[in-house]
Amino acid sequence: QLHLQESGPGLVKPSETLTLTCTVSGGSISNSDYYWDWIRQPPGKGLEWIGSIYESGSTYYNPSLKSRVTIFADRSKNQFSLKLNSVSATDTAVYYCAREQTVGSWLGYWGQGALVTVSS
Amino acid sequence: QSALTQPASVSGSPGQSVTISCSGTTSTIGTFDLVSWYQQSPGKAPQLIIYEVNKRPSGVSSRFSGSKSGNTASLTISGLQPDDEADYHCCSYAGRTTLVFGGGTKLTVL
Repeated sequence: QLHLQESGPGLVKPSETLTLTCTVSGGSISNSDYYWDWIRQPPGKGLEWIGSIYESGSTYYNPSLKSRVTIFADRSKNQFSLKLNSVSATDTAVYYCAREQTVGSWLGYWGQGALVTVSS
Repeated sequence: QSALTQPASVSGSPGQSVTISCSGTTSTIGTFDLVSWYQQSPGKAPQLIIYEVNKRPSGVSSRFSGSKSGNTASLTISGLQPDDEADYHCCSYAGRTTLVFGGGTKLTVL
């Protein structure tokens, strides 16, 4: 059974960089059938797609966040990570990692989510 | 990349049917049959209930169905049950390997 688990600091100061890691077990992030995605949800609001990474290392980002986002992978650890630069209070959210089907573009497995608060 | 448009809330009584709409554009729902729906209970991660407009993953009740017409997708829940009370999110492929979500709809079972 596939399992995804987010980890990282729960509190980040304004203007600093948010970094989260998703550890995948029960499957390989090198599987060409899937993208590996990051999605976030501000408190009380809807979901926002942040971006994804493919087994080739290719990355795809939400145009509205592209200038501040980097997604990268460590295949030796079966992990992928999110960096979001220059954060502000509007970046406060629950951040989810998920597995996206390449054919069909649906998100079949999600992590439990990690709350990140941006505050001084 | 504009978000998809969903009603903020819908409600229905047990046993009734409700439909949640998800409005996109010709750049999203209108062009791609790649709409998915997610159910999210409070404090939990979203869970896939419909993919590729109208397909149900194994284990998802047949009371959940999806459809699409033009730029709008819809999720219908028949035979409402108290456990159906949750937030529902639609998602569409938006081209260039990107996704876009709706704002989410809160379903209340009266």
